[in-house]
Amino acid sequence: TQLLEQSPQFLSIQEGENLTVYCNSSSVFSSLQWYRQEPGEGPVLLVTVVTGGEVKKLKRLTFQFGDARKDSSLHITAAQPGDTGLYLCAVRKAAGNKLTFGGGTRVLVKP
Amino acid sequence: GAGVSQTPSNKVTEKGKYVELRCDPISGHTALYWYRQSLGQGPEFLIYFQGTGAADDSGLPNDRFFAVRPEGSVSTLKIQRTERGDSAVYLCASSQGHFNEQFFGPGTRLTVL
Repeated sequence: TQLLEQSPQFLSIQEGENLTVYCNSSSVFSSLQWYRQEPGEGPVLLVTVVTGGEVKKLKRLTFQFGDARKDSSLHITAAQPGDTGLYLCAVRKAAGNKLTFGGGTRVLVKP
Repeated sequence: GAGVSQTPSNKVTEKGKYVELRCDPISGHTALYWYRQSLGQGPEFLIYFQGTGAADDSGLPNDRFFAVRPEGSVSTLKIQRTERGDSAVYLCASSQGHFNEQFFGPGTRLTVL
């Protein structure tokens, strides 16, 4: 069983539609990060959420950390083809700096 | 300034061969990480360097995998007696000190035939 379960695994939508992807766990985390990875590139950090219930906005992207700090969601409003990519959530292990990633959600936004 | 660079971008080798993958971190970054990403999966941690020493190598799958960072800058990941299951994208990341944001390179795609 993976520490972080992401759903759905794949999402294909039309430009202008909204979408939400989820990152769930049975463990409690002090913080959680979201990354976007495009083909042939490494992951790029989008946001770090720290406080239970926290909501952060990055243009059309809204990130929420669950009240119990076990889960998180990423909502994209009016998706554009440039939002296409692999969205990954990740946490740091308490005793070190290594990142543990979820399996990712692959998002395809069609023009 | 330049980001993290990795060479080669692609490497095709035959089962049983030895390969070396190189990572050039962002200048001044003291921490360096290696991850492996299999097709359709998220990256998995392999090893972490703080300066020249390996602070955590708990993710290395077996003793065929080894990494060095002799001068605290460039790192090389070495894989002996490659197996088909080693095929993946190997990602390198660096950060300015412990617990700061990790910046990833584009990865080396390793294919073992």
